[in-house]
Amino acid sequence: DQQVKQNSPSLSVQEGRISILNCDYTNSMFDYFLWYKKYPAEGPTFLISISSIKDKNEDGRFTVFLNKSAKHLSLHIVPSQPGDSAVYFCAASEGGGATNKLIFGTGTLLAVQP
Amino acid sequence: KAGVTQTPRYLIKTRGQQVTLSCSPISGHRSVSWYQQTPGQGLQFLFEYFSETQRNKGNFPGRFSGRQFSNSRSEMNVSTLELGDSALYLCASSRASGWNNEQFFGPGTRLTVL
Repeated sequence: DQQVKQNSPSLSVQEGRISILNCDYTNSMFDYFLWYKKYPAEGPTFLISISSIKDKNEDGRFTVFLNKSAKHLSLHIVPSQPGDSAVYFCAASEGGGATNKLIFGTGTLLAVQP
Repeated sequence: KAGVTQTPRYLIKTRGQQVTLSCSPISGHRSVSWYQQTPGQGLQFLFEYFSETQRNKGNFPGRFSGRQFSNSRSEMNVSTLELGDSALYLCASSRASGWNNEQFFGPGTRLTVL
């Protein structure tokens, strides 16, 4: 039972364009969402997060949007750079912030073409 | 500041054997979580430890166990290995539990069960 779903296994984008990575979830108790980036042979690194009381959070080139009614979040990268090529994982948490347990999606491989 | 270290980085075992993986968190971090990453399944939460106490456990059989020492270092053990246990095992550390405590991942231990 996959509570966090990333339906696109891969995405290819031209350098300078916008990358949009999508994530859907089924558990309405999730109250915090995160995006991680993972390069081969390295552990995931935290990118950006959003709590369920917000619908948007921005950090430089990265913006996360949350649509609670649709149980959907997305990560926008503008402009995309070749160094952004990596696997992106969406993750969710419940429990009011008292736990580090994260439920991850299966990841989307982003390839930014020069 | 040194990051999260995991040893060994690679391991090959045969079915029925047992294995112990080690994780040293970032200095000052008291929370350690473990995840299993397999193709098509993303990262799945195994357990979380804080101050030597298991705070949370994922849906894995009892063959998977862990512990945390007084210096916050953590080990996980898998007994009676099965082919399906082949995976990348990641640990993550943070100062404490909760939203405001970013989790930092180690590079993982790649376990292959033959």
